[in-house]
Amino acid sequence: SAVISQKPSRDICQRGTSLTIQCQVDSQVTMMFWYRQQPGQSLTLIATANQGSEATYESGFVIDKFPISRPNLTFSTLTVSNMSPEDSSIYLCSVGRETRPQFFGPGTRLTVL
Amino acid sequence: AQRVTQPEKLLSVFKGAPVELKCNYSYSGSPELFWYVQYSRQRLQLLLRHISRESIKGFTADLNKGETSFHLKKPFAQEEDSAMYYCALSPYPYGQNFVFGPGTRLSVLP
Repeated sequence: SAVISQKPSRDICQRGTSLTIQCQVDSQVTMMFWYRQQPGQSLTLIATANQGSEATYESGFVIDKFPISRPNLTFSTLTVSNMSPEDSSIYLCSVGRETRPQFFGPGTRLTVL
Repeated sequence: AQRVTQPEKLLSVFKGAPVELKCNYSYSGSPELFWYVQYSRQRLQLLLRHISRESIKGFTADLNKGETSFHLKKPFAQEEDSAMYYCALSPYPYGQNFVFGPGTRLSVLP
């Protein structure tokens, strides 16, 4: 199993600013994913964070809006840039195998005013 | 594109009663199906996957390709089963979008 921590756990931000969310895993993992869960909705995959190369983004998500770093096999960051109220969500880090998430972080609850 | 539906947003059953959480999918290939669970104040976690054919916490799920369903079942519900349950699909071959259903909140009443 893998234990995942995220920072911050929650934040309230002003429109137009950016927030970087950190994800730390207690063991080396190959696959790391970033998900978004908007209020009352299910999880949507934003991107797969690739170690040493650019993240793989899903349709509807772009690097300029959600830049991702993955400097090593235990750590990744997701930045939500130029935020608007529509970005208010829970952002989840996950690790797994192939494209399948298995363990999830506690989530970062973001509110944009 | 692949899609997962869970027709019930909320399902309430009494303790000891059987429970079935419905999941249907649309995908032209051979998917791998999963159930995830999120208990109150806890993080989302994988409950079971159809390939494993296992029973976890008394829950089982059978993939029915004819009906494109992957319903989650338990013969006798317990109060601690109350949680949010998500059905999910992984297309094969891997590398395509892993899709979650909208979720069903199970409430087991005493």
